[in-house]
Amino acid sequence: TQLLEQSPQFLSIQEGENLTVYCNSSSVFSSLQWYRQEPGEGPVLLVTVVTGGEVKKLKRLTFQFGDARKDSSLHITAAQTGDTGLYLCAGAVNAGNMLTFGGGTRLMVKP
Amino acid sequence: NAGVMQNPRHLVRRRGQEARLRCSPMKGHSHVYWYRQLPEEGLKFMVYLQKENIIDESGMPKERFSAEFPKEGPSILRIQQVVRGDSAAYFCASSLTVTTGINEQYFGPGTRLTVT
Repeated sequence: TQLLEQSPQFLSIQEGENLTVYCNSSSVFSSLQWYRQEPGEGPVLLVTVVTGGEVKKLKRLTFQFGDARKDSSLHITAAQTGDTGLYLCAGAVNAGNMLTFGGGTRLMVKP
Repeated sequence: NAGVMQNPRHLVRRRGQEARLRCSPMKGHSHVYWYRQLPEEGLKFMVYLQKENIIDESGMPKERFSAEFPKEGPSILRIQQVVRGDSAAYFCASSLTVTTGINEQYFGPGTRLTVT
């Protein structure tokens, strides 16, 4: 059974601060996705990382895939209130496989 | 440029009734996945389908639950004789192709099932 552990579960910060969310597993994933989910809506895909050590940037968001493809991080620079939401990491062992989701990090950015 | 569509968005059923949840994948996508999100829990995989085929149903409860993805029309997740524990948000996702090492799944808005 593949498990993805996300930390922290909850994070409350002031606007302008930086933060990092972690996603760890003992399993190797062929790809890892980060999603953001708003209340009452489905997860929205932010990024997919595939190669060990890969770093992808999406404006103020930086995603990194661990060298061994077992872990990933999401770093947000100068957080804004619009970043508030639930961030989910999800890994796939093989293409065409189910996604295994982490428990999520609920981020609150206060003005 | 429609994304994944699910209906209904909200469904209320009494115990013992049947629930039918529909999912239309993104245009051109032939892979459909169903996930369930119980209150205060994470998303859990239920079933993976391609057109007319169930590829992986390892996450599906053995009884009362079934899924199909016919040649024409949406994918259907069917729950017979619903119980209170079935109350959850059910999400459908679709993907375009199964490329080695990549599995980008796009999610619909979900169907929130409430069993009274």
